Amino acid sequence: DTQMTQSPSSLSASVGDRVTITCRASESISRYLNWYQQKPGKAPKLLIYGASTLDSGVPSRFSGSASGADFILTISSLQPEDFATYYCQQSFTIPQTFGQGTKLEIK
Amino acid sequence: QVQLQESGPGLVKPSETLSLTCSVSGGSITNNYWIWIRQPAGERPEWIGRIYPTGSINYNPSLKSRVTMSLDMSKKQFSLKVTSVIAADTAVYYCARENNSGWHGIESWGQGILVTVSS
Repeated sequence: DTQMTQSPSSLSASVGDRVTITCRASESISRYLNWYQQKPGKAPKLLIYGASTLDSGVPSRFSGSASGADFILTISSLQPEDFATYYCQQSFTIPQTFGQGTKLEIK
Repeated sequence: QVQLQESGPGLVKPSETLSLTCSVSGGSITNNYWIWIRQPAGERPEWIGRIYPTGSINYNPSLKSRVTMSLDMSKKQFSLKVTSVIAADTAVYYCARENNSGWHGIESWGQGILVTVSS
């Protein structure tokens, strides 16, 4: 299976901060990398697919990029509703696999 | 806006079969991959498999010997069966839909159903 590793596993930040979360795949996945936000007791929500395309209705403060083997999720100015757990997912190989998650908490 | 709803028993005994159904409303079932994902408490999601209305199916190899997925277009439902369940199969099970972007993002999710394996 393709292993997905996120960093950091947890992150404390304040409203208005710019934060970045990194995801690395154990093998090449082209740009088949998706990002999700999950709040407690809820299903994950698709934020970005294809490494950098914002899903419909997702605020523009979210963005995704790729740099070599690393994929990066950036939130440009944290809002109170952004505190959640974020997962990356590769959709290039079967089985599709998720990173371990990054829990974003209020500082 | 498509909506998905999981249904099935919340408690299954060890060695028995877990059976779940996902009902699709507000959209067509004919043009997307339909997915099952599970998430044990406090862990990352695990992709179980996906089915396309033409009959194409992909399973997670780690579960393939125990998993069967099917789809009924006339009822707008798709289903999951997991045989010989053990405690490690305890999780929230989600049904979901891939988008048609070509990148296989999972754009729509059910609310999830907690399935506990216990005697």
